[in-house]
Amino acid sequence: AQSVTQLGSHVSVSEGALVLLRCNYSSSVPPYLFWYVQYPNQGLQLLLKYTTGATLVKGINGFEAEFKKSETSFHLTKPSAHMSDAAEYFCAVSDDPNNNDMRFGAGTRLTVKP
Amino acid sequence: DVKVTQSSRYLVKRTGEKVFLECVQDMDHENMFWYRQDPGLGLRLIYFSYDVKMKEKGDIPEGYSVSREKKERFSLILESASTNQTSMYLCASSYIAGVPGELFFGEGSRLTVL
Repeated sequence: AQSVTQLGSHVSVSEGALVLLRCNYSSSVPPYLFWYVQYPNQGLQLLLKYTTGATLVKGINGFEAEFKKSETSFHLTKPSAHMSDAAEYFCAVSDDPNNNDMRFGAGTRLTVKP
Repeated sequence: DVKVTQSSRYLVKRTGEKVFLECVQDMDHENMFWYRQDPGLGLRLIYFSYDVKMKEKGDIPEGYSVSREKKERFSLILESASTNQTSMYLCASSYIAGVPGELFFGEGSRLTVL
């Protein structure tokens, strides 16, 4: 079964600094990979996803992620953090195109300092 | 916009009580899911359903049951609540499209069992 490991439960950056949130996965087949964001007191919403094709995926709010098969990684980045990026971020993996087996990482809480 | 509505944002119940958590989606999605979210553990899948009256166990089904009598509604039932079921419960829905897509989440139901 597939699984996800997010390195770092808490990440703190200064406003304007690079954001890097790490995600490694295990999967026996080519995976589908996702990043979701959860703002306080809200449900999760999709930031971006990788299914096939281009390995560098761009999402909403200036975030992007790169699928690296050799490293089994799907790290999330943003060149310049904004205060509004403070949230919890979840990496997810699925082997099933019908979404029936999506598995989430433990989450990384991002704090942005002024 | 897709809307997934969870009936209660906050509930407080006593040990042994029966608890119903209701979820309604308005996008005619085939798939519906119940996840449990705990700090440091991320989201864990309790049950999912891909059609009316169909259900499949997720990773942590013990102590829970579900009901899907109508396509738009998916209920999570705790037959006899216990303190270790104190948690945030998230409902989600998605299409069965043959293409991995996003899950649409409700805002969550925070359950406290005393």
